[in-house]
Amino acid sequence: KAGVTQTPRYLIKTRGQQVTLSCSPISGHRSVSWYQQTPGQGLQFLFEYFSETQRNKGNFPGRFSGRQFSNSRSEMNVSTLELGDSALYLCASRYDRHAIYINTFGSGTRLTVV
Amino acid sequence: GNSVTQMEGPVTLSEEAFLTINCTYTATGYPSLFWYVQYPGEGLQLLLKATKADDKGSNKGFEATYRKETTSFHLEKGSVQVSDSAVYFCALSVSTQGGSEKLVFGKGTKLTVNP
Repeated sequence: KAGVTQTPRYLIKTRGQQVTLSCSPISGHRSVSWYQQTPGQGLQFLFEYFSETQRNKGNFPGRFSGRQFSNSRSEMNVSTLELGDSALYLCASRYDRHAIYINTFGSGTRLTVV
Repeated sequence: GNSVTQMEGPVTLSEEAFLTINCTYTATGYPSLFWYVQYPGEGLQLLLKATKADDKGSNKGFEATYRKETTSFHLEKGSVQVSDSAVYFCALSVSTQGGSEKLVFGKGTKLTVNP
């Protein structure tokens, strides 16, 4: 079974630009969550999508947005990039078994804002 | 609120030494608890989990017991190997009635095992 695929692996962007990151979940998984990992703040929840609907959102500004397609693939977008947006962005796909949630993470996209 | 506190590293051990990484949590209700491991340049891998009080999660020689009375989920391994060098994250799962769920992570503990 293929794992969670995130593309691209690395990105370098300039302040003020926007960026789109992609995540393909494990086949059959309908829930996709996004997390930001930085040395200072650690791992923080961005948002969760299920069946093309955002079900939960973390405490991030509106510059951070996402969407999910009918095949469960998800994208997240960051507009007007700031230096502080430099981070590893991790996507997790999830299956629910008897209300026990098991998240499988991708390798992440390393975003550097210069 | 929901939070996880884990011992700060880095932790440096010699091969075959005993490992303990402390983790305590604050949560409403009874969350599921997890340990994830991150190797350099990679994402997070689930190491083990426990879903209710007194459950013991185990995998690859690592163990952790869900202690409700002390709100703890300490990670242990009897004999570490060089290949165990990584960053370890303790996490709890916060879910809602609507089926939404998110993970709340500790800050991570970097482990280095020397030969």
